[in-house]
Amino acid sequence: EAQVTQNPRYLITVTGKKLTVTCSQNMNHEYMSWYRQDPGLGLRQIYYSMNVEVTDKGDVPEGYKVSRKEKRNFPLILESPSPNQTSLYFCASSLPGTGPYEQYFGPGTRLTVT
Amino acid sequence: AQSVSQHNHHVILSEAASLELGCNYSYGGTVNLFWYVQYPGQHLQLLLKYFSGDPLVKGIKGFEAEFIKSKFSFNLRKPSVQWSDTAEYFCAVKGTYKYIFGTGTRLKVLA
Repeated sequence: EAQVTQNPRYLITVTGKKLTVTCSQNMNHEYMSWYRQDPGLGLRQIYYSMNVEVTDKGDVPEGYKVSRKEKRNFPLILESPSPNQTSLYFCASSLPGTGPYEQYFGPGTRLTVT
Repeated sequence: AQSVSQHNHHVILSEAASLELGCNYSYGGTVNLFWYVQYPGQHLQLLLKYFSGDPLVKGIKGFEAEFIKSKFSFNLRKPSVQWSDTAEYFCAVKGTYKYIFGTGTRLKVLA
């Protein structure tokens, strides 16, 4: 089954404790992206990757890191989480980023930082 | 700056009513436009998309959208909603690589 998976689905952590949210897709997609969803703000793009070893900032990259060492994986790293990063996070993938291709979304990771 | 505006934040309709959700975008280049739906507790799914050709686009579940270039709009429509259409709807514009989403419209359909 074609899908985007994220782990963990739920995470409660404390301020400053480094964490990684994993994202994996099995569709051989070149483009992958991370979003955060907050009430009243919709989805905002954090980082995206056009292909392996090629990443760029979205609209809200502060406090996040990403890496794309393999085509299928695109982990999101919070080096020092803060309460304002409490949010619902979605990973997505699609065919090449320059085309009119829709994104396929993962199930989401609900992160709470206390 | 690139942006997407969804004018209706909350919409409540009775079953069989017609639906139109507004979406306006601001983007200087060639755009690809999308409507996604998020059912309660689920991830986003594509309803329809436009990138060229016929400005009236038909999607899944009876939804359609019309691209009006002169108005920078891409409104979503459905002639007769069902209770199962209760969800949050997002308009999105894609430039070269970046996606910009609107803030979403929560639709509640009363049975």
